[in-house]
Amino acid sequence: DSGVTQTPKHLITATGQRVTLRCSPRSGDLSVYWYQQSLDQGLQFLIQYYNGEERAKGNILERFSAQQFPDLHSELNLSSLELGDSALYFCASSGQGADTQYFGPGTRLTVL
Amino acid sequence: GIQVEQSPPDLILQEGANSTLRCNFSDSVNNLQWFHQNPWGQLINLFYIPSGTKQNGRLSATTVATERYSLLYISSSQTTDSGVYFCAPLSGNQFYFGTGTSLTVIP
Repeated sequence: DSGVTQTPKHLITATGQRVTLRCSPRSGDLSVYWYQQSLDQGLQFLIQYYNGEERAKGNILERFSAQQFPDLHSELNLSSLELGDSALYFCASSGQGADTQYFGPGTRLTVL
Repeated sequence: GIQVEQSPPDLILQEGANSTLRCNFSDSVNNLQWFHQNPWGQLINLFYIPSGTKQNGRLSATTVATERYSLLYISSSQTTDSGVYFCAPLSGNQFYFGTGTSLTVIP
């Protein structure tokens, strides 16, 4: 158990809908990272937050947004969903000055 | 962005054998990570290694940043080493992933 939790584990929704994925980092970790893993695109880095501020941005679509709250949990919002958004979405966290990222179990999103 | 190539794409080993996985990247990087994704999908960070060599038990990694490659060594492989190994160089503030090496260790 990495100490990173993600909810929900599975999510099935329809095209055009909006969903929110939640991530709780390990206790004390200030950084949260979001990744997408799909059959088509493989693993992709989406975005990183550090203590509430956006730190790095990867291949995140404009339909997607994220934020990190004062209690350090993070949410990834996906809107106007398309079939191609079906993927595993991972969250990871790391501590201040620490390199190692600890991954949550992922949220499997299926868009029908 | 950076192009990342991992080799070999697939590897089958007998338990106890050693292996070397390679990651080539197309441009200079700030850092580089190696990850393992087990057959159940769980991702584990193995190393964060911008240059030099690090060791953790049976695993070690070497990054030669000036020559734009990194190597992951697995010694005395075990069935629990099976899964996909990804490298992810960090350039600017973005991680770029390779397509991974799928390792199967057979007893």
